[in-house]
Amino acid sequence: LAKTTQPISMDSYEGQEVNITCSHNNIATNDYITWYQQFPSQGPRFIIQGYKTKVTNEVASLFIPADRKSSTLSLPRVSLSDTAVYYCLVGALYSSASKIIFGSGTRLSIRP
Amino acid sequence: GAGVSQSPSNKVTEKGKDVELRCDPISGHTALYWYRQSLGQGLEFLIYFQGNSAPDKSGLPSDRFSAERTGGSVSTLTIQRTQQEDSAVYLCASSLGGTPLRNTEAFFGQGTRLTVV
Repeated sequence: LAKTTQPISMDSYEGQEVNITCSHNNIATNDYITWYQQFPSQGPRFIIQGYKTKVTNEVASLFIPADRKSSTLSLPRVSLSDTAVYYCLVGALYSSASKIIFGSGTRLSIRP
Repeated sequence: GAGVSQSPSNKVTEKGKDVELRCDPISGHTALYWYRQSLGQGLEFLIYFQGNSAPDKSGLPSDRFSAERTGGSVSTLTIQRTQQEDSAVYLCASSLGGTPLRNTEAFFGQGTRLTVV
């Protein structure tokens, strides 16, 4: 399983765009990149997933460069409710043993 | 049910007692995961069930921990002779499993907060 590295914590203000970068230097050809969000006292929830280039949904955008050794989760115009821990995961979807391993995550704090 | 259901939501037990934590996954999901999360920490993988395959138990911290999944649905995580360091939130998740894209999206329950006193 590819190891991921992401900042332990980040701070930002309401209305700003927040970018959280994850490094995954040994990502494999079959690996996808997935981000989860966890609010206090809740289980994580899926945000976005991608393989290459850019993916956008109603919550966030995910930018993946051509070498796929890193990825950036972009949250547009954050609000206080975006305060959470964000986890970057890398793994193969086409494996019968595709257990999901979480790293330490990035603790994002949004201030007024 | 509509989501992953875990019970109990809170459990306080005395050191040395056995506890059972239950997880009801989303109907039709073949993959089921157990994680442990200590206060302020990330998720620690415990065990993974996928269909009828042998479970991946590589994350279980000791032989006091075991889990079963009956009939490919409900799962029970058992901790024997509980210790204070077992205190944590135990999270269960399920997913469709396998292919294609996004079938591994995991849906989490609210967790069971275990306190060993």
